[in-house]
Amino acid sequence: SAVISQKPSRDICQRGTSLTIQCQVDSQVTMMFWYRQQPGQSLTLIATANQGSEATYESGFVIDKFPISRPNLTFSTLTVSNMSPEDSSIYLCSVEAPTLGSGYTFGSGTRLTVV
Amino acid sequence: AQTVTQSQPEMSVQEAETVTLSCTYDTSESDYYLFWYKQPPSRQMILVIRQEAYKQQNATENRFSVNFQKAAKSFSLKISDSQLGDAAMYFCAYRTPGTSGTYKYIFGTGTRLKVLA
Repeated sequence: SAVISQKPSRDICQRGTSLTIQCQVDSQVTMMFWYRQQPGQSLTLIATANQGSEATYESGFVIDKFPISRPNLTFSTLTVSNMSPEDSSIYLCSVEAPTLGSGYTFGSGTRLTVV
Repeated sequence: AQTVTQSQPEMSVQEAETVTLSCTYDTSESDYYLFWYKQPPSRQMILVIRQEAYKQQNATENRFSVNFQKAAKSFSLKISDSQLGDAAMYFCAYRTPGTSGTYKYIFGTGTRLKVLA
């Protein structure tokens, strides 16, 4: 299965600033997924990033707040913009294994604290 | 819309004992995939076991096995001979059918498993 390097692993940021999270995959993948996991809660899909096209955002998430880049088939970034304490969460990227239904591989997660 | 329900926010098990985590889901599809993921304090989400809905045989991975009841839309995880390293948050997940661009994963709210020495 794919190996994903995600960074930073954690950060503490001032409100009103932005943070960019990077995910590098060791193989080419069509789709990459970005999730948010608020403290003590489950995973919520933010958006799906396809190479060469704009990301598809889920209800409640907008491009201005969470711009995503997907410059090639192995890399993606998620930016959390104009941060507030409510953005404090774990952010995870994931890809699906090539074999249909094999499941997600996740990055190691970024723990973001906004103060 | 599909939903995944984990009714046990927290479970405890003695080391070396067996524990079962519950998961139910709702779908009108007949072909789909189900997963259990483990998230230890390190935050890394790790795939524990998977089940294809078209397979009647329950999946098994070493000490981990599932009880898949398709008609009842139930997908429980049994952990045998529990070890301290099994302590983690466990998420049940449902994957809709479909290929690139047409599928989604839906995650349950998680069950925190504590293993007592």
